[in-house]
Amino acid sequence: EADIYQTPRYLVIGTGKKITLECSQTMGHDKMYWYQQDPGMELHLIHYSYGVNSTEKGDLSSESTVSRIRTEHFPLTLESARPSHTSQYLCASSRGTSGRASTDTQYFGPGTRLTVL
Amino acid sequence: GNSVTQMEGPVTLSEEAFLTINCTYTATGYPSLFWYVQYPGEGLQLLLKATKADDKGSNKGFEATYRKETTSFHLEKGSVQVSDSAVYFCALSGTGGFKTIFGAGTRLFVKA
Repeated sequence: EADIYQTPRYLVIGTGKKITLECSQTMGHDKMYWYQQDPGMELHLIHYSYGVNSTEKGDLSSESTVSRIRTEHFPLTLESARPSHTSQYLCASSRGTSGRASTDTQYFGPGTRLTVL
Repeated sequence: GNSVTQMEGPVTLSEEAFLTINCTYTATGYPSLFWYVQYPGEGLQLLLKATKADDKGSNKGFEATYRKETTSFHLEKGSVQVSDSAVYFCALSGTGGFKTIFGAGTRLFVKA
């Protein structure tokens, strides 16, 4: 049973607000990821982290930022939300093998569905 | 570059029908291959995986065989149930890059 949590599950906010989506895992995984999932279901990697104090941007350009101060915590922040940010956001983690290559399973949280009015 | 192509959905089947969801990949080296499933309102979860050629992954009646000669990893189940209705993602990783490459997802509807 994977232990990765996301809060809130649903969020409706107005344009211009600052928001933080929380993601925590209790498995001690080194690698963590944020994906944006569009209505067509496709996943787009927006941020990832190899470990504490390590963060990188993913394939899809995003106005969000992330931090990794603790192994278990990988929050995503939007400084000024816009309607174009409306989407499902999925957090995931994996144990991490040596170096950058990874063949291990990713464990996903339940997601945060964000609606910006 | 590395990529995963899976059949477009939605796929609609009656209960107890046979399921195949096709998945082919392009990759350098020897990737690991995965099927993830996403039930409504949830995140993805691993369904099965295979780490080398000719390996067969299996779980909950689903199976997929890693075919290097055809670069495929098709998902099959002999008799689907209504509870199998979900979105299925084929994925690969471990080709020297940091990330997992996901297919676009295939939505399955199973009717009673």
